Amino acid sequence: SQQGEEDPQALSIQEGENATMNCSYKTSINNLQWYRQNSGRGLVHLILIRSNEREKHSGRLRVTLDTSKKSSSLLITASRAADTASYFCATEGNSGYSTLTFGKGTMLLVSP
Amino acid sequence: NAGVTQTPKFQVLKTGQSMTLQCAQDMNHEYMSWYRQDPGMGLRLIHYSVGAGITDQGEVPNGYNVSRSTTEDFPLRLLSAAPSQTSVYFCASNRQGGRYGYTFGSGTRLTVV
Repeated sequence: SQQGEEDPQALSIQEGENATMNCSYKTSINNLQWYRQNSGRGLVHLILIRSNEREKHSGRLRVTLDTSKKSSSLLITASRAADTASYFCATEGNSGYSTLTFGKGTMLLVSP
Repeated sequence: NAGVTQTPKFQVLKTGQSMTLQCAQDMNHEYMSWYRQDPGMGLRLIHYSVGAGITDQGEVPNGYNVSRSTTEDFPLRLLSAAPSQTSVYFCASNRQGGRYGYTFGSGTRLTVV
């Protein structure tokens, strides 16, 4: 079953604007990760936030995690056309061996 | 450093045929896993391995077999292909410890007719 649910399913913005994607999940986690997938390609790891962290930055990316609400957000600042892709959140559980459980993704379109 | 290499990139099978999707990583990662991606869905876990000789089932294991005889390789076998197995398959590897992202291959697009 899908662990995460991203919101919105699709997002269309202009270059230079900020893009915010949200993710909710159901069970306790060890960490939450965000991935990017360009059309027809594999997934690329963007950022990982551990369950004891609340916010993390990497370049133009900002991720927040609220374990009490079981939710996370990914903010991409000053978006570029090259950011056009699908973005997935994935959670890694805190029991047993580590595997990822993915949401259905957000399709981001950044227009020039 | 190639990362995770999947072959083939594309494959068409007839119903009932068998085949093996290959996956190899050169990062000495302990963990490897197979996912399938269907339209409108995220990735779903098929099988995973935490080391050579150790495998386990994921969310959607039926119709697939795996084995892991070396750290580097983790092949996925379709025993008797069915149209429901038409999908894009991704292999991934990662280090244990809960601090590291996964490295994904570029995928195998499989069509079963």
